Amino acid sequence: YVLTQPPSVSVAPGQTATISCGGRGLGGQSVHWYQQKAGQAPVLVVFDDSDRPSGIPERFSGSKSGNTATLTISRVEAGDEADFYCQVWDSTTDPYVFGTGTRVTVL
Amino acid sequence: VQLVQSGAEVKKPGASVRVSCTVSGQTVNEVSIQWVRQAPGKGLEWMGGFDPINGGTIYAPRLQGRATLIDDTSTNTAYMELTSLRSDDTAVYYCALSDVETIGPFELWGQGTLVTVTS
Repeated sequence: YVLTQPPSVSVAPGQTATISCGGRGLGGQSVHWYQQKAGQAPVLVVFDDSDRPSGIPERFSGSKSGNTATLTISRVEAGDEADFYCQVWDSTTDPYVFGTGTRVTVL
Repeated sequence: VQLVQSGAEVKKPGASVRVSCTVSGQTVNEVSIQWVRQAPGKGLEWMGGFDPINGGTIYAPRLQGRATLIDDTSTNTAYMELTSLRSDDTAVYYCALSDVETIGPFELWGQGTLVTVTS
């Protein structure tokens, strides 16, 4: 089971970055998103498609339509530069599946 | 709650490695610990962990037989042991905490442990 993400997204400061995550059956699964800055452990930024853990800025939001989930980062800051991974639970393969990852570069 | 992992390891091919993940703020049998690894320059790969559906331990099929996950309640520590190491096992190994009763996200991560397999 593969969750496909674009390898890279570039965005200017203050603009909006959107990261897609596509997979068969995604419409029936809860999607979680993680941010991983260089040399650090991942951090959960969105869970259950669109909920935010406490402490995560409102600039990070999630949505889903059909078999594609989207992470949106509004008003991008230099400190948002990181790799982002989507994740689902799928009973048919490895239960916990991560997306291929997207590197967000702030120009 | 905090997860603190053991330090970096260097191992020869064919050897075994054990990585620890000490839980503070809760007891290890009250939390669900998952293990994830990341090869250099690569993405995240789930290895195994607590299965909230049946209460046991579940492993990624590709690691079945080489990975063993155990919880030591006396030290409040979770351990990941990987045997028959190969060069492609070189990675940063993370423990992560998820909900014990439902299938959910990995809410908190350890700092990571680099395991290098080299002759």
